[in-house]
Amino acid sequence: AAGVIQSPRHLIKEKRETATLKCYPIPRHDTVYWYQQGPGQDPQFLISFYEKMQSDKGSIPDRFSAQQFSDYHSELNMSSLELGDSALYFCAIREGTEAFFGQGTRLTVV
Amino acid sequence: KQEVTQIPAALSVPEGENLVLNCSFTDSAIYNLQWFRQDPGKGLTSLLLIQSSQREQTSGRLNASLDKSSGRSTLYIAASQPGDSATYLCAVIGTGRRALTFGSGTRLQVQP
Repeated sequence: AAGVIQSPRHLIKEKRETATLKCYPIPRHDTVYWYQQGPGQDPQFLISFYEKMQSDKGSIPDRFSAQQFSDYHSELNMSSLELGDSALYFCAIREGTEAFFGQGTRLTVV
Repeated sequence: KQEVTQIPAALSVPEGENLVLNCSFTDSAIYNLQWFRQDPGKGLTSLLLIQSSQREQTSGRLNASLDKSSGRSTLYIAASQPGDSATYLCAVIGTGRRALTFGSGTRLQVQP
């Protein structure tokens, strides 16, 4: 069955620091999606990749960047962190018509 | 731009009740609709997937229906249990490799 592994599960950073979140689709998958879910909010689409190229862009701040590597894992890089970046970050894949989400990385900015 | 709305935002029921959660979307050109469950601070667990050509899907005590033309889906939970307490999110997927668009969720509490 398809799935997604995300690391780390929890991350605490200070304001203005940088964070890198990782996503490993299982099995390797050509399309990955990143979402941000703030406290009490629904998941908001950030960015997606297809075959290592950016395919769609949502509400991703300019301080964030992402990429998909040759082994199809993906990383979300977040710089100049702000308190408002504290959220649950999900990576997802689509297997056929169904979406599968990782357990998320909880980022806390202090 | 696709917009997804879920009603009610919160629901509290006694154990054993049957209940209906509603989801509506503005653009009927969807590929499919997926219902998720999310426990506090946890990930998203897929409950049911309805493809655009289908009208309903069932899994155990859960039944989801889809009326694409009117832009509506319902999630029916039979004989609710305290373990069903969670937030339920519906999400629609457009055609191609479009991302999911989520509703704001219904926070369900089943009282023992």
